[in-house]
Amino acid sequence: AQKVTQAQTEISVVEKEDVTLDCVYETRDTTYYLFWYKQPPSGELVFLIRRNSFDEQNEISGRYSWNFQKSTSSFNFTITASQVVDSAVYFCALSEAWDDMRFGAGTRLTVKP
Amino acid sequence: DGGITQSPKYLFRKEGQNVTLSCEQNLNHDAMYWYRQDPGQGLRLIYYSQIVNDFQKGDIAEGYSVSREKKESFPLTVTSAQKNPTAFYLCASRISGTGGNEQFFGPGTRLTVL
Repeated sequence: AQKVTQAQTEISVVEKEDVTLDCVYETRDTTYYLFWYKQPPSGELVFLIRRNSFDEQNEISGRYSWNFQKSTSSFNFTITASQVVDSAVYFCALSEAWDDMRFGAGTRLTVKP
Repeated sequence: DGGITQSPKYLFRKEGQNVTLSCEQNLNHDAMYWYRQDPGQGLRLIYYSQIVNDFQKGDIAEGYSVSREKKESFPLTVTSAQKNPTAFYLCASRISGTGGNEQFFGPGTRLTVL
């Protein structure tokens, strides 16, 4: 069965620090998809990124970057120069080819001014 | 604007009462989902529907029921059989097909049992 582990329950940083959120996944499929979502205090989950299992290229979007490594079954998320507005709960999720999404427990990030 | 709406935002229920949470989408998505989120926990799947008039149980379906009579609507009823219904409920939708499509989420309904 597919599984997602986010070992960091809570992280607290000071503004402008870099922070990495870890995500480790388990799957027996060769075709799968990984996602990151942000849940701000308002509660609605906001989609950030999707990667498929055949594309291990790292991606950068502004201050956000993602490191996908199949060898270690990890899909880590780094925020560079964090800001107070980055404070939220971040979820990693896994979806196999014809299956539904499984979410990790989430990491609560607090960025202090 | 396309999106998902959930109502109400906050809902209070007395023990023993059934209550229905609304979820509507105008994204023309085939698939719709209901999740439950408890404090400090991830999202757990309650029910999902890939097409109108069809739905499947998720991991924690006991005490819940759904219907999918229209493509844009997927209401969730929390019945009195649900022993611990106080939680945050999220509705989502996505284009059906492969697992590679992201889900879009509504703003959620916070249910409190008094």
